[in-house]
Amino acid sequence: GEDVEQSLFLSVREGDSSVINCTYTDSSSTYLYWYKQEPGAGLQLLTYIFSNMDMKQDQRLTVLLNKKDKHLSLRIADTQTGDSAIYFCAETPNSGYSTLTFGKGTMLLVSP
Amino acid sequence: DGGITQSPKYLFRKEGQNVTLSCEQNLNHDAMYWYRQDPGQGLRLIYYSQIVNDFQKGDIAEGYSVSREKKESFPLTVTSAQKNPTAFYLCASSRFVTESDEQYFGPGTRLTVT
Repeated sequence: GEDVEQSLFLSVREGDSSVINCTYTDSSSTYLYWYKQEPGAGLQLLTYIFSNMDMKQDQRLTVLLNKKDKHLSLRIADTQTGDSAIYFCAETPNSGYSTLTFGKGTMLLVSP
Repeated sequence: DGGITQSPKYLFRKEGQNVTLSCEQNLNHDAMYWYRQDPGQGLRLIYYSQIVNDFQKGDIAEGYSVSREKKESFPLTVTSAQKNPTAFYLCASSRFVTESDEQYFGPGTRLTVT
């Protein structure tokens, strides 16, 4: 079955870059997503990448996809204290239905 | 403002009682979803609905029930049969149930059953 794995915790200093990693097992995944969850809140879509791409950049966010290794990463440049949150990687299997499979989330803590 | 509302934000119930969580959207989305989130866990899909009067079980549907009588509303009932109901419940919606459609999430309801 599908499985999405993430490291659970990352701590960085303000101004540094953060890199959050994710691995997935479903080779038929067509879309891979990064969501952000602030404490006590719902999830907010940050960005997504289609499986035929290997990189996508959106302002401070860079997504890298290595389809061969089934590895996805999210790089946040110039990390700010407001970036402190839980970041979820998610995939949609190529079933035609948008039932997302989520990782357990990476808690990013940004210290001043 | 378009969006998804969930109410209440916090809910407390005694064991053995059924409880219904509200989810309303004014985004004109056809598809709606319920997820459960436990500490240190990802989101797990409980039920989803592609269209009014239709819904499908997700990965952990046991002990839950839903209805979809209106496009805007997708209430979730946590029954007394759910063994570990205490969790954070998130509702989401998307235009359609297709892989490319972004899911928009509500703010969540934290249910505590004692």
